Amino acid sequence: EAGVAQSPRYKIIEKRQSVAFWCNPISGHATLYWYQQILGQGPKLLIQFQNNGVVDDSQLPKDRFSAERLKGVDSTLKIQPAKLEDSAVYLCASTPLYEQYFGPGTRLTVT
Amino acid sequence: RKEVEQDPGPFNVPEGATVAFNCTYSNSASQSFFWYRQDCRKEPKLLMSVYSSGNEDGRFTAQLNRASQYISLLIRDSKLSDSATYLCVVNKGAGKSTFGDGTTLTVKP
Repeated sequence: EAGVAQSPRYKIIEKRQSVAFWCNPISGHATLYWYQQILGQGPKLLIQFQNNGVVDDSQLPKDRFSAERLKGVDSTLKIQPAKLEDSAVYLCASTPLYEQYFGPGTRLTVT
Repeated sequence: RKEVEQDPGPFNVPEGATVAFNCTYSNSASQSFFWYRQDCRKEPKLLMSVYSSGNEDGRFTAQLNRASQYISLLIRDSKLSDSATYLCVVNKGAGKSTFGDGTTLTVKP
């Protein structure tokens, strides 16, 4: 069974630039999460989708972050414009019920 | 106060040692609990779920105390390969998960 796919794996951008991340969850998993993990901290939930609907986006900085999951399958997360403090690993996870399966993450560096 | 708090660590133990991690949560309505393991520069992976009656998987034992709102993970006979960060996860229902900041374990020969 294929795991959660994410791309790109690494990205370096300058502050105020835009960036987009892509995630393809495990087939059949209705729930998809985006997390931000800053070095030394645990993953922090940004947004949770159930199929193509948003369940929880209370911690998403909506002035600069946006996410969509138009067909209830793959998803994109965008940051526009990026700030230095956005440097982190962005993890995508999907779940059939309880166990979350994570992708390898995208390591973003904002200079 | 954070929703999920873990022992700050790091824990440095010799091979064969027994080590225990604790995790406390603030939302009494939390419904399900998990321990995830995260290796350096890798993604988190589920280690085990935590049940009210306690559960064991080989050298690992997880326990939940709902009255005191804490979860524990006990690792017996530590191996070098157990070196990792252990993340406590609390679900509030509808799949809404909160991760702790993790406790780092280093097992030394």
